[in-house]
Amino acid sequence: TQLLEQSPQFLSIQEGENLTVYCNSSSVFSSLQWYRQEPGEGPVLLVTVVTGGEVKKLKRLTFQFGDARKDSSLHITAAQPGDTGLYLCAGDRNQGGKLIFGQGTELSVKP
Amino acid sequence: GAVVSQHPSWVICKSGTSVKIECRSLDFQATTMFWYRQFPKQSLMLMATSNEGSKATYEQGVEKDKFLINHASLTLSTLTVTSAHPEDSSFYICSARDRVQVNQPQHFGDGTRLSIL
Repeated sequence: TQLLEQSPQFLSIQEGENLTVYCNSSSVFSSLQWYRQEPGEGPVLLVTVVTGGEVKKLKRLTFQFGDARKDSSLHITAAQPGDTGLYLCAGDRNQGGKLIFGQGTELSVKP
Repeated sequence: GAVVSQHPSWVICKSGTSVKIECRSLDFQATTMFWYRQFPKQSLMLMATSNEGSKATYEQGVEKDKFLINHASLTLSTLTVTSAHPEDSSFYICSARDRVQVNQPQHFGDGTRLSIL
């Protein structure tokens, strides 16, 4: 059973389009993190959300944490080819720092 | 910013060889480090939690005798893949948790690509 369901797992869009990635769980998280990973490299932290209902913006990226702290979304406006990569959500359940990762979303933005 | 260094970044070796991967926290101390395995275009799968000065905690289904973890200092954890076989080929990533700033996110290494021929 996957504790953190991430969708979609694959997404191929044209430059300029908008997209949303979702992470859902039946568990409550103390915090949730979003990462972006390039092939052959480690994940790079984009944002951490902690408070239920919190919204954070990072240029064209908008992150939201659900009111109940069980789900989160990442919205990208006007996607660019440079946004291509693997996006990962990861939840912290206060288990000694152990993170629960979603399945990942492989995003391809075509020029 | 905090940096985690993994070495080697890429290793190719023959079946039956044991391979050691190092994970170092360069400018902070880490009592806890985590080892992940990742297959192409898939997410990270936690293998084990490495605890400084004590035994590692392995996730269900991960063979502790196959994947030996040693965390002898506050800045170094090692993962040894013993008698590696082609099915052990994967991307291995470590992360480290700052022992002082425990509420801060983990810092990830750049991974080690292991290819077993």
